[in-house]
Amino acid sequence: NAGVTQTPKFQVLKTGQSMTLQCAQDMNHEYMSWYRQDPGMGLRLIHYSVGAGITDQGEVPNGYNVSRSTTEDFPLRLLSAAPSQTSVYFCASSYRDRVGGYTFGSGTRLTVV
Amino acid sequence: GENVEQHPSTLSVQEGDSAVIKCTYSDSASNYFPWYKQELGKRPQLIIDIRSNVGEKKDQRIAVTLNKTAKHFSLHITETQPEDSAVYFCAARQAGTALIFGKGTTLSVSS
Repeated sequence: NAGVTQTPKFQVLKTGQSMTLQCAQDMNHEYMSWYRQDPGMGLRLIHYSVGAGITDQGEVPNGYNVSRSTTEDFPLRLLSAAPSQTSVYFCASSYRDRVGGYTFGSGTRLTVV
Repeated sequence: GENVEQHPSTLSVQEGDSAVIKCTYSDSASNYFPWYKQELGKRPQLIIDIRSNVGEKKDQRIAVTLNKTAKHFSLHITETQPEDSAVYFCAARQAGTALIFGKGTTLSVSS
């Protein structure tokens, strides 16, 4: 039981490049979310999903795409990386309504130069 | 959408003192309020949570209170210890949506 697995842990991109941050969970959680964490800004919601085939925008969705083709996987795509997307990205998952809150992945530290 | 305000942004206490962090939320439909602790370089970890049908919950030195009428909830840590030093985040959520977080409180406990 690995929990929430994020890859890669570190990444450096050049401006304009695209990439996909991977997130997988093995707990059969319905809910999955992506957050970015910047100093002094807390955790800001990028996109979330309440089940396979269903996604919705969060607080800061511009420049990012997601899809949820399976319950386990929720990849985050950066379409054309910008320096403003330099951040630490966390994926998190939870059951629909059960007490216990989100389980977070270990994060991806992304630098865009 | 939901908006969560958290205060203070930094909090310094002496070991053994109590620490209180307060949050307000905007959406009256929110019904789940967790608190997370994040140590430097680590992922956020759930430390306590409360649902809207409960006014208070305690777990050893940690307690959370909820005032639905005023739309605010607070984290109380008693007998603070140096290992309590971390960033604490509150969050709120209604059914069918994702957690929205406050900006965090950096708690420093000096011995």
